Amino acid sequence: QITLTQQAESLWVSPGEKVSITCRASQSLLYTDGKYYLSWYQQRPGQTTRALIYHASIRTDGVPTRFIGSGSGTEFTLSIEDVQPEDIALYYCLQTLKKPSTFGAGTKLELK
Amino acid sequence: EIQLQESGPGLVKPSQSLSLTCSVTGYSIISGYDWSWIRKFPGNKMEWMGYISNSGSTNYNPSLKLRISISRDTSKNHFFLQLNSVTTEDSATYYCARYGYYSGDFDYWGQGVMVTVSS
Repeated sequence: QITLTQQAESLWVSPGEKVSITCRASQSLLYTDGKYYLSWYQQRPGQTTRALIYHASIRTDGVPTRFIGSGSGTEFTLSIEDVQPEDIALYYCLQTLKKPSTFGAGTKLELK
Repeated sequence: EIQLQESGPGLVKPSQSLSLTCSVTGYSIISGYDWSWIRKFPGNKMEWMGYISNSGSTNYNPSLKLRISISRDTSKNHFFLQLNSVTTEDSATYYCARYGYYSGDFDYWGQGVMVTVSS
């Protein structure tokens, strides 16, 4: 199965700063349709898990433009520009290129 | 508005079966998409468990293949998880979610239900 590595267990950030969360896959997540099957999710206590980014860089409807997905091949990044207090959460990457779908270990964004 | 809601016992005894229901509103589970179960262990590890498609076919994580069953009741727009022979290692928060073929992601999730396996 494909392994996703999120190196940072926690990242500390101040409101207004930019932060980047990285996700490395054990193999390329590029499918024959030319799309990357890598998505990003946000989990906040008491809230439903929120889909943020799909196909590595496409923002889900309603997600603020400060959330930016990038990357290719095996290296992907979720960047949050101008971090807001409500962005403090747990973030996961997920690959759905091959079954079983697999998640990264998660990166917790915390306030400095 | 599409909503998913998990329900079921919060406590299960070791060696017994865990049974959960996902109630879907706002979209028919036979109209499209795959309907998945995902769990999150203490310590935050996430695991995709399996899905039932809109046509009723199933696909399971090989790590659970011998113990898991996902089924549905289309009249109620519910789908179900059954996990047999549970151990304390199955203690987790269980989520149901919708998988979109076009987006390749899980676009709608339930709130999750915490299940503890303990005698």
